[in-house]
Amino acid sequence: DSGVTQTPKHLITATGQRVTLRCSPRSGDLSVYWYQQSLDQGLQFLIQYYNGEERAKGNILERFSAQQFPDLHSELNLSSLELGDSALYFCASSVAGRSAGELFFGEGSRLTVL
Amino acid sequence: AQSVAQPEDQVNVAEGNPLTVKCTYSVSGNPYLFWYVQYPNRGLQFLLKYITGDNLVKGSYGFEAEFNKSQTSFHLKKPSALVSDSALYFCAVRDMWRDDKIIFGKGTRLHILP
Repeated sequence: DSGVTQTPKHLITATGQRVTLRCSPRSGDLSVYWYQQSLDQGLQFLIQYYNGEERAKGNILERFSAQQFPDLHSELNLSSLELGDSALYFCASSVAGRSAGELFFGEGSRLTVL
Repeated sequence: AQSVAQPEDQVNVAEGNPLTVKCTYSVSGNPYLFWYVQYPNRGLQFLLKYITGDNLVKGSYGFEAEFNKSQTSFHLKKPSALVSDSALYFCAVRDMWRDDKIIFGKGTRLHILP
């Protein structure tokens, strides 16, 4: 058990809908990262937050947004969903931002868009 | 921007033989390098990391990795493979000075044949 909790584990929805994925980091970790894993694209970095502030941005679509709350949990919002958004979404946490600390991953949220 | 290449989609090794999973990287500054393993339907688990110092890094489950600055490589190795090592392996890099992104390679599927 990594200590990172993601909900829901599975989600099935229709095109055009909006979903919210939730992540609770390990106790004491200030940084939260979001990644998208699909068969053809591998593990794509989406966005990173550190202590409530956006720190780094990757290949995140404009239809997607995220935030980190004062209690350090984070949410990834996906809107106007398309079939191609079907993927496994991972949250990871680490102690700090610019450090050599490794990431601790949650079990992921599997999104299926029909 | 930093990048990681894992040139092999799949590696097959007989049980008991040594294994190598290749990784090359590109960063502007000095790298922090990581290896992670993913078992089916699970999140990624940290194996080992290189920060500085000795070029041979030892990690979990008997794995080690060799940092080669001139070849910009960080290959994962194990002297004697086990069937239970069969999984998806990811190499990752962070640029020590530029930003907080941790970029992952596309992954290499390791099959250990009994």
